[in-house]
Amino acid sequence: EAGVTQFPSHSVIEKGQTVTLRCDPISGHDNLYWYRRVMGKEIKFLLHFVKESKQDESGMPNNRFLAERTGGTYSTLKVQPAELEDSGVYFCASSPTSGKGNIQYFGAGTRLSVL
Amino acid sequence: AQSVSQHNHHVILSEAASLELGCNYSYGGTVNLFWYVQYPGQHLQLLLKYFSGDPLVKGIKGFEAEFIKSKFSFNLRKPSVQWSDTAEYFCAVNAASGGSYIPTFGRGTSLIVHP
Repeated sequence: EAGVTQFPSHSVIEKGQTVTLRCDPISGHDNLYWYRRVMGKEIKFLLHFVKESKQDESGMPNNRFLAERTGGTYSTLKVQPAELEDSGVYFCASSPTSGKGNIQYFGAGTRLSVL
Repeated sequence: AQSVSQHNHHVILSEAASLELGCNYSYGGTVNLFWYVQYPGQHLQLLLKYFSGDPLVKGIKGFEAEFIKSKFSFNLRKPSVQWSDTAEYFCAVNAASGGSYIPTFGRGTSLIVHP
């Protein structure tokens, strides 16, 4: 069974440019989550999709970040325009169920460097 | 709100040494507890979890963790580390009742094991 895959693994862009990150969850997982880890800090929650709907987007930093999950399969996270403080590792996770006892399966992350 | 503190940010050990990584959390209610590991270049994966029952939890690859409710702790242990245990380790907690089901992560501990 394929795990959660994220693309690209690394992205280096200049301040002001746009970057789109992609996440393919495990097939059949309705729940998809985005997290971010700034270097040396905690992994912080960004948002949660249930199928194509945003269940919780309380962690999104600002309106330069746009997440979509059209059709309830893969998801994209666009940063436009990117700023220096957006650098970090963006993780995606999926789970078959949500709620307090759910186990989330993570991807390897996308390392974003904004210069 | 939940918070997680990992006391050791960088740990360097020789093979066969014993390992204990500290994790303390802050939350007034019942919690679910997790340890995740990320090996170099790989995805973040679940090492072990505690939901209820025996507070001593066995995980994969010889790891174990003990939930001590009175100390709000969930320390990770391994009696004898191997070079292949070199990785980053994250402690996480979510609320088992009330609170947020989204896990809160600690800052991570980077473990380097010398052969």
